[in-house]
Amino acid sequence: QSALTQPPSASGSPGQSVTISCTGTSSDVGGYNYVSWYQQHPGKAPKLMIYEVNKRPSGVPDRFSGSKSGNTASLTVSGLQAEDEADYYCSSYAGSNNYVFGTGTKVTVL
Amino acid sequence: QVHLQESGPGLVKPSETLSLTCAVSGGSISSSNWWSWVRQPPGKGLEWIGEISHSGRTNYNLSLKSRVTISIDKSNNQFSLKLSSVTAADTAVYYCAREGYSFTSGDVWGQGTTVTVSS
Repeated sequence: QSALTQPPSASGSPGQSVTISCTGTSSDVGGYNYVSWYQQHPGKAPKLMIYEVNKRPSGVPDRFSGSKSGNTASLTVSGLQAEDEADYYCSSYAGSNNYVFGTGTKVTVL
Repeated sequence: QVHLQESGPGLVKPSETLSLTCAVSGGSISSSNWWSWVRQPPGKGLEWIGEISHSGRTNYNLSLKSRVTISIDKSNNQFSLKLSSVTAADTAVYYCAREGYSFTSGDVWGQGTTVTVSS
C-alpha cells in the first residue's frame, strides 16, 4: 500500500494553531476510524499523540486534537509551544491486518 | 513502567539476514498487548514492519512479508525480528514498540537501533 500523503512542512507562531492533513483512500483512512498520530523529535523515538482519530493517550495535552472527514484525517495543535516543534506522522489501519504511515510533516514554531 | 530495548548487530552484509531482539522490562510480554516493529531509513519516514501478539499471532507488512519473521520468547520476556536477503534499502533505525492502544503502532517505544547494510 502507498504511504498516506502529508504536507512536508507547516508552521505557526507561539500561541497560534497549526493543522496537519493526512490524505489516504477509502481502503485506509476513509474506511476505518483507526487513525493515529505520532510526534518525533530529532534523534528520538516516535510518541503516540492521538489514536482512533480523536482520542488522546493519558499525558498528552488537550492542545492536541484529531479529526477525520472522508479520506482525510487532521491533527490540530492549538496554543503552539516551542516544544511542539517536531516531525509528525499519521498512521492508519489499512485492512488485512496491515498499517500504513504518512509521509511526515515538519512543524516549525516561528 | 514498561521499558523496551532493542539489540543486535549494527552492520549486516547484503543478502544476509538481519536479526534484532527487543527486551521488555517492567512488565510481562505475556500481557494482552501486541508488540510491533517499525523502521525509519536515514532522513525518511516511518515504515510499519509487523506485529506479534502475546499468543504468537503475527501480521506483516505486505511489501516485506516474504522476508520478515517476528517471534516471541516468553521465557526471556522478549520478541525478535528477522529480515532476510537484506539490501542497502534495508538500512534504517529499527524500533520496537508495545501496542498499548489497539490499532496503533505503539504507545511505548524502544530508543531504536541503527542497522547498516553494507559489505
